Amino acid sequence: KNQVEQSPQSLIILEGKNCTLQCNYTVSPFSNLRWYKQDTGRGPVSLTIMTFSENTKSNGRYTATLDADTKQSSLHITASQLSDSASYICVVSDLNAGNMLTFGGGTRLMVKP
Amino acid sequence: DVKVTQSSRYLVKRTGEKVFLECVQDMDHENMFWYRQDPGLGLRLIYFSYDVKMKEKGDIPEGYSVSREKKERFSLILESASTNQTSMYLCASSFLGQAIYGYTFGSGTRLTVV
Repeated sequence: KNQVEQSPQSLIILEGKNCTLQCNYTVSPFSNLRWYKQDTGRGPVSLTIMTFSENTKSNGRYTATLDADTKQSSLHITASQLSDSASYICVVSDLNAGNMLTFGGGTRLMVKP
Repeated sequence: DVKVTQSSRYLVKRTGEKVFLECVQDMDHENMFWYRQDPGLGLRLIYFSYDVKMKEKGDIPEGYSVSREKKERFSLILESASTNQTSMYLCASSFLGQAIYGYTFGSGTRLTVV
């Protein structure tokens, strides 16, 4: 069964610091991996999408990495801001699953002043 | 700006009530999905639909039904609400066979059953 596991479950950092969130998956055959940001009480919003051939992709202060060999991804947040406080969800797509995605449990990030 | 709109942000219902959660998308997407999201469990698929009047069970369909009479609208129905259905409900949509582009999510409906 396809699985996506994220760590840590929750994280508290001070404003201005960097942090890295981890995502490990067993989805196969792999199609793509996406990181979503979900503010409290809101639906998830896509940050980045990475395909098999991509190792790194940036979106402002967010940088995602992908190692398709070890089936690991990370999301690095640079110079964190209070508005980064949210849940970050790793989502992996299976080539054979057509329309279905496998969701990780998310990492809840709190940025404190 | 493309949108998935869920009719209610917050709902409080009594045990045994019939509850309707509505979702409308304006992107002409074929696929529509209903998920529930609970702490520690992530998003779990309840039902999805790939065409008008078509529906498929997801991982946790028990206690729920759905209706898709029009392409843009997908309704989730709790036939007899129970306290264990207290949750955040998320609607999403995508083009057919286009999981590679991800889903567009609605803002969510936080349902409390008392």
